[in-house]
Amino acid sequence: QVQLQESGPGLVKPSQTLSLTCSVSGGSISGGAYYWSWIRQPAGKGLEWIGRIFISGGTNYNPSLKSRATISADTSKNQFSLNLRSVTAADTAVYYCARSGSSSWSLEYWGQGTLVTASS
Amino acid sequence: QSALTQEASVSGTVGQKVTLSCTGNSDDVGTYAVGWYQQISHGAPKTVMFGNSLPSGIPDRFSGSKSGTTASLTISGLQPEDEGDYFCSTWDYSLSAVIFGGGTRLTVL
Repeated sequence: QVQLQESGPGLVKPSQTLSLTCSVSGGSISGGAYYWSWIRQPAGKGLEWIGRIFISGGTNYNPSLKSRATISADTSKNQFSLNLRSVTAADTAVYYCARSGSSSWSLEYWGQGTLVTASS
Repeated sequence: QSALTQEASVSGTVGQKVTLSCTGNSDDVGTYAVGWYQQISHGAPKTVMFGNSLPSGIPDRFSGSKSGTTASLTISGLQPEDEGDYFCSTWDYSLSAVIFGGGTRLTVL
């Protein structure tokens, strides 16, 4: 069974870059036709999809975050990452990574999530 | 404002059948399968339905359906452990993005 684990700083200063990594175990990120996504959830609010990467096919992003977000992968470490530039307090949220299922837009497996606070 | 429309809250008693809905348009729900994700006590979301396919380990009291641009998640025989937030999600062809509904808070009375 595939497992995902988010990691990264829990506190980021406004205007700086939020950087998170998702470590994958139980399967290779470069094996199979899976998409690897980042999703976030501000406290007390709903889920917001940030974007995804297909290791041999590129990336897609939420249009509202496309100008600030970059998703990349390190197949040697079996990890994928999120960089979100120029953060503000509005970027404070729990960030989840997830893997798709048989359909590319499904979110079959989720990490446990990590809280990132944007504050000085 | 979320791209997909869900009821803010739904409630039911133990053993009752409840249905949650997720409404979109022809670019999303009308074309693509809808996933349903359960979140209990603000933990990590868990897939309880994708299209009309039940993931392994999910009780068969959960079922999914779709009619036009509205998808539904039905829980037949509501249990106390079903209480939580439910989010629907699908692909938006015009945005080339995954979109979510605002979520439904399910309360088991």
